[in-house]
Amino acid sequence: QQQVKQSPQSLIVQKGGISIINCAYENTAFDYFPWYQQFPGKGPALLIAIRPDVSEKKEGRFTISFNKSAKQFSLHIMDSQPGDSATYFCATLSSGSARQLTFGSGTQLTVLP
Amino acid sequence: NAGVMQNPRHLVRRRGQEARLRCSPMKGHSHVYWYRQLPEEGLKFMVYLQKENIIDESGMPKERFSAEFPKEGPSILRIQQVVRGDSAAYFCASSHILIGSGTDTQYFGPGTRLTVL
Repeated sequence: QQQVKQSPQSLIVQKGGISIINCAYENTAFDYFPWYQQFPGKGPALLIAIRPDVSEKKEGRFTISFNKSAKQFSLHIMDSQPGDSATYFCATLSSGSARQLTFGSGTQLTVLP
Repeated sequence: NAGVMQNPRHLVRRRGQEARLRCSPMKGHSHVYWYRQLPEEGLKFMVYLQKENIIDESGMPKERFSAEFPKEGPSILRIQQVVRGDSAAYFCASSHILIGSGTDTQYFGPGTRLTVL
């Protein structure tokens, strides 16, 4: 089964700092790389996503960096806020007709006030 | 504009009973996906359905689990003869595939938290 390896498992950042979460995937049969944010007791919510023909995408304080040759992508949260405290999941979407998301194991982010 | 709806939000069953989880996709979406999340873990794909068709059930356990998405009404995930290991959060997602876009964002519901006693 395809895997997506996510690190770190947990992250503590001071308010105003930069949060960085990394993911690595195993094969090239993916054409969409989303990041989801999940608060306790809630469903995952799409935060930002990137396609493999782009190396970087920025939306507000959130940036995805994508390295196709290394099969890695990362989420950067600039000016982290206590309200960003949540669990973040990277994912890959398989190409073809399957269209299933394969999720990383998650990173629990805590932003201290 | 309602999002993906799931019910019930919480479900308690005793071992051996049946659990039935419902999912109504976002308006205009005809693709439904079910995922399972065990405590402290990421989500694992179970099944992908379109109206009246199962497209991919590679993540579904072979026994006791079934899913359907009828022409009318919500998608149903059914777990027969539940065991304690079935305790988890079950999430439904829906999408509207845009032909030629290469992407199809999946929007998730709030989940059903199943507890098996």
